[in-house]
Amino acid sequence: AIRMTQSPSSLSASTGDRVTITCRASQGISSYLAWYQQKPGKAPKLLIYAASTLQSGVPSRFSGSGSGTDFTLTISCLQSEDFATYYCQQYYSYPPVFGPGTKVDIK
Amino acid sequence: QVQLVESGGGVVQPGGSLRLSCAASGFTFSSYGMHWVRQAPGKGLEWVAFIRYDGSNKYYADSVKGRFTISRDNSKNTLYLQMNSLRAEDTAVYYCAKVAMGHFDYWGQGTLVTVSS
Repeated sequence: AIRMTQSPSSLSASTGDRVTITCRASQGISSYLAWYQQKPGKAPKLLIYAASTLQSGVPSRFSGSGSGTDFTLTISCLQSEDFATYYCQQYYSYPPVFGPGTKVDIK
Repeated sequence: QVQLVESGGGVVQPGGSLRLSCAASGFTFSSYGMHWVRQAPGKGLEWVAFIRYDGSNKYYADSVKGRFTISRDNSKNTLYLQMNSLRAEDTAVYYCAKVAMGHFDYWGQGTLVTVSS
């Protein structure tokens, strides 16, 4: 199975900061990568799919890039509602695998 | 709007069984594949199972293969997960999720399964 890693595992940031999260796949997955946001006690929410396509309704401060094995999620200007855990997920092959998550909390 | 509502969670003893349901609305259920994903307390997301739109293909995580069965009733717009031989490590919130081009575009609110004696 493809393995997914994320870095950092957690970070502290302030409102207005630019935040970048990295996701790496153990083998090439083309652009078959999605990013999800999860807040405590809530279901995950799709942010980005196909590595860089913003899901409808998601604010434009979120962006994704990368292909092959290395991907990034960027939040250009962190808002209070963005404090959450972020997961990447590959859907290039079965089983679909999620990264371990990156927790973004308030500095 | 798309809605997915899970039910059927609860407390069950090790070795016991439970059937989860996911009622879908707001989209043509019979046209989309569906997944089950779980999250153990304080842990990350783990994919559990997938079923094609017509039920013709099913895939399972190694951790549940032979114990869990995914199924669907397109006439009732409902997805199921039959869980047998439950273990403590199956304790988790179970989410159903709709497939869109491979990624998961909508998720239910989840149902908690606790396996404990």
